[in-house]
Amino acid sequence: EVQLVESGGGLVKPGGSLRLSCEASGFAFSSYTMDWVRQAPGKGLEWVSSIGGSGTSMFYADSVKGRFSISRDNAKSSLYLQMNSLRAEDTAVYYCARDLPFSGTDYWGQGTLVSVSS
Amino acid sequence: DIQLTQSPSFVSASVGDSVTVTCRASQGISNHLAWYQKKPGQAPKLLIYAASTLQSGVPSRFSGSGSGTEFTLTISSLQPEDFATYYCQQLNGYPLTFGGGTKVEIK
Repeated sequence: EVQLVESGGGLVKPGGSLRLSCEASGFAFSSYTMDWVRQAPGKGLEWVSSIGGSGTSMFYADSVKGRFSISRDNAKSSLYLQMNSLRAEDTAVYYCARDLPFSGTDYWGQGTLVSVSS
Repeated sequence: DIQLTQSPSFVSASVGDSVTVTCRASQGISNHLAWYQKKPGQAPKLLIYAASTLQSGVPSRFSGSGSGTEFTLTISSLQPEDFATYYCQQLNGYPLTFGGGTKVEIK
């Protein structure tokens, strides 16, 4: 059974940093592109970042480029999102998801809440 | 960047009704479009990919069509569990983008 479990969310002050983790199981992790997607309170879904299976190709939304960094450890079947220079507008539930090329994201974690507030 | 415009943003319907949601892309994306259902407190659920292919386990009352710049999601015979927000997503290239969402509420 495919499972994605996020952790690392919490309350952080503006300008602070946080590292999200996503532990995957039930599938060949290194064979899949993985995504981070977020949903701010009362807002729609927003794609944040993707990383290819080998970890050498990374893509970011303009809203996080230069502040967030996606990475993975295939030996540990884990995905990460390092978030620096956090802003109030980064407050959201962050989801880790498995990406099928040109076909969407078929498995999602339960989400982890990041709150940026002084 | 490719923009996706969903319409309507809100629809009020009754159990048994048919509902159609439209998603328009700012440029051609072939059939590289997916539809998701999102309920409060739950992760998004993939309904349709490649514009018209039903994801495994999704009821056949959900259907998708379209190619290029115009796409539709149709829910025939709405069931109580279908009241949710629906999003389209383009997968033609980065940055990936979502439509603004369509909330389907009970009339």
